Amino acid sequence: SQQGEEDPQALSIQEGENATMNCSYKTSINNLQWYRQNSGRGLVHLILIRSNEREKHSGRLRVTLDTSKKSSSLLITASRAADTASYFCATANYGQNFVFGPGTRLSVLP
Amino acid sequence: DAGVTQSPTHLIKTRGQHVTLRCSPISGHKSVSWYQQVLGQGPQFIFQYYEKEERGRGNFPDRFSARQFPNYSSELNVNALLLGDSALYLCASSNPAGGPSGELFFGEGSRLTVL
Repeated sequence: SQQGEEDPQALSIQEGENATMNCSYKTSINNLQWYRQNSGRGLVHLILIRSNEREKHSGRLRVTLDTSKKSSSLLITASRAADTASYFCATANYGQNFVFGPGTRLSVLP
Repeated sequence: DAGVTQSPTHLIKTRGQHVTLRCSPISGHKSVSWYQQVLGQGPQFIFQYYEKEERGRGNFPDRFSARQFPNYSSELNVNALLLGDSALYLCASSNPAGGPSGELFFGEGSRLTVL
């Protein structure tokens, strides 16, 4: 299985702090994506990083990918209470479908 | 433009019943995927359809079936419901299809409770 596995399972920080969550996977991938889910709602795409990329930025988000270690990290800088949500990594290989990890539950305290 | 729409948003069924969930993709998207998300877990892939053909199937029993219509909308059917089928069912559309190389656009889901 190429399932992604996020770490930590839960993270609690204060507003203004940075939040870092990690994702590990098992097999070769075409790309890795991060999604966000507010409680009980649909998932929202945050950022996609391709297997030949090492780092990508989008606003307050920074994603890194290390294919040799089969791992990725998502950094949210200057977190806000509105960032409170579950964050999932999803991996995809050519011709296959996305596999989501169990997620990291982030709580940002005001 | 409207996003991915799913119906119904909530429903309650009893064991052994059948359920049909519906999904309309974003205009122009030809691929629809279905995911099951049990409380506290990540989404699990059920089916992908593209141009009315099944392109992928996850590890779900034959009680689960789906189809895609000429307008690219889709239905997910689950027969002989079990308590363990209680979950949030998510539909996602994407463009282009073929391989899952791009982002998925998710609907808000259908919350199924089986009693």
